[in-house]
Amino acid sequence: AQSVAQPEDQVNVAEGNPLTVKCTYSVSGNPYLFWYVQYPNRGLQFLLKYITGDNLVKGSYGFEAEFNKSQTSFHLKKPSALVSDSALYFCAVRDRGGGFKTIFGAGTRLFVKA
Amino acid sequence: EAGVAQSPRYKIIEKRQSVAFWCNPISGHATLYWYQQILGQGPKLLIQFQNNGVVDDSQLPKDRFSAERLKGVDSTLKIQPAKLEDSAVYLCASSLDGGSYEQYFGPGTRLTVT
Repeated sequence: AQSVAQPEDQVNVAEGNPLTVKCTYSVSGNPYLFWYVQYPNRGLQFLLKYITGDNLVKGSYGFEAEFNKSQTSFHLKKPSALVSDSALYFCAVRDRGGGFKTIFGAGTRLFVKA
Repeated sequence: EAGVAQSPRYKIIEKRQSVAFWCNPISGHATLYWYQQILGQGPKLLIQFQNNGVVDDSQLPKDRFSAERLKGVDSTLKIQPAKLEDSAVYLCASSLDGGSYEQYFGPGTRLTVT
């Protein structure tokens, strides 16, 4: 069965430190990979995606993500965290097969302390 | 560019009653999605439309949930009769097309079934 795992319910980091939010997946073939962010009282927003090519993709607000095919992972990273980055982050995977069904992880809450 | 519109934003009903949600996607977006997001979980795809045809409804509880997308634009999601476990946020999203395109989400409708 296809699945997406975000192993950490919450990640705590101090402002200015690097952050990593982990995501692993189990999907047949080569899926499209996405990260979305949900700020309090706001809808889900697209951050970045991996389609093909360079394993390191850059997105909005200084975030980037590294695709690792052998480990089936797509970890979200940022070199220097801001308090305003505190939000709920979702990894999503879309099967390239018929229908392009999207599966979301359970989400990781990021808390950045000043 | 106007975003994805949803109404109502909040709805409280008693179990066994019916409810309907409305979604207006971003103009020109061919693909429309309805998700159910239960507190503490990631969004779960209920149904995906490509124009006005259904691409995936494998997780839609068809005995009580129905959805339509008339003329390939607006969409409605209906629940009849509602159960307590239907309490959740219902998210509508749209994308330019399926595949590698990112999704744009509406603000959601928070449903409480008492």
